[in-house]
Amino acid sequence: NAGVTQTPKFRILKIGQSMTLQCTQDMNHNYMYWYRQDPGMGLKLIYYSVGAGITDKGEVPNGYNVSRSTTEDFPLRLELAAPSQTSVYFCASRGRISGEETQYFGPGTRLLVL
Amino acid sequence: TQLLEQSPQFLSIQEGENLTVYCNSSSVFSSLQWYRQEPGEGPVLLVTVVTGGEVKKLKRLTFQFGDARKDSSLHITAAQPGDTGLYLCAGPNTPLVFGKGTRLSVIA
Repeated sequence: NAGVTQTPKFRILKIGQSMTLQCTQDMNHNYMYWYRQDPGMGLKLIYYSVGAGITDKGEVPNGYNVSRSTTEDFPLRLELAAPSQTSVYFCASRGRISGEETQYFGPGTRLLVL
Repeated sequence: TQLLEQSPQFLSIQEGENLTVYCNSSSVFSSLQWYRQEPGEGPVLLVTVVTGGEVKKLKRLTFQFGDARKDSSLHITAAQPGDTGLYLCAGPNTPLVFGKGTRLSVIA
């Protein structure tokens, strides 16, 4: 299994541009999450999904949109990039292994908005 | 909303020293998880504690869940530079509730 994969690894955007951060997991997990992590800080939840077709807002959803058309994919859309969205974005999925609930994180996408 | 407070926020120590970091809440959790995030990587699960008073060991790391299941601690013995990273505690809810983390720097 590849686990959770994210693309791109790094991107520079100009203010007002849009982009989609891709996230794919091959573990057949129903739960998926998008977090942002600002420099030196913890994780803030942007959006999450409990299954295909179901999404919900997290702590900081403004400026972002998500969709979940398949179990595997959970893309995050930025419509009008702003400097405040400069951050590292982590996608995660959650499943049970050896009876223990575990959250698996992707390697992150570093986004710089100038 | 269940909140997790972690302390200290930052910790810088010399190689070989011992340290303890804390995760506290006013709420009772059915379980708590500890994650470590190394620079440039995503967080990775270290351990899950489930039973009040439970102690789990992972090499030089000792994790304890409070008797009342409102707090947890992580003790590292003889810290090494490879222990450097952000240590996050998390509650079991959906979505997962994370503390803000303790950023540990171990200097050789």
